[in-house]
Amino acid sequence: NAGVMQNPRHLVRRRGQEARLRCSPMKGHSHVYWYRQLPEEGLKFMVYLQKENIIDESGMPKERFSAEFPKEGPSILRIQQVVRGDSAAYFCASSPPTGVGYTFGSGTRLTVV
Amino acid sequence: AQKITQTQPGMFVQEKEAVTLDCTYDTSDPSYGLFWYKQPSSGEMIFLIYQGSYDQQNATEGRYSLNFQKARKSANLVISASQLGDSAMYFCAMRELGQAGGYNKLIFGAGTRLAVHP
Repeated sequence: NAGVMQNPRHLVRRRGQEARLRCSPMKGHSHVYWYRQLPEEGLKFMVYLQKENIIDESGMPKERFSAEFPKEGPSILRIQQVVRGDSAAYFCASSPPTGVGYTFGSGTRLTVV
Repeated sequence: AQKITQTQPGMFVQEKEAVTLDCTYDTSDPSYGLFWYKQPSSGEMIFLIYQGSYDQQNATEGRYSLNFQKARKSANLVISASQLGDSAMYFCAMRELGQAGGYNKLIFGAGTRLAVHP
């Protein structure tokens, strides 16, 4: 039973490029959460999605960031026109339909150069 | 607003000794949950232990125990018999019920870096 799979583990982008981060939840989990961890800080909630629906995006920056969780395939966190301040570790977590109980992925480390 | 505070940026302990990592929280919600996660240098988040606000007994998981003092709003992690592999960042987190209900967001503290010395 594979855990939460995130890829890539490391991603380097130049300023102005787009970054796409993928998350495949655990089998049987239909809820996905994205968190961001800036250097030397704790994780901060970004967005919560169910299949084909964004339920809570209260932690998402207003511009350049978007997330989706299509009917088929992984959840995608997309960052357009990246800037140096976007450099961080991005974690995905999934939970079962009850919404309770978390499993985190290993994270994607984004570096903007 | 809900808040988690970890006041110890760094701690060190001798191998085989016990160490306590502090965590205080603030919430007006009567139903909440508290988590501890370990983040080694490789970066993944490893779940250690969970305490629900209505749990009668302090949670324990192997060498980890949670010293839950509800009146003081503290949920300190105790690691007994420290090992070199315990060197890592440790995060305390609290479950916040989502506004739409039926899901949980986690609020994290800033973390404590633990170094275990031989």
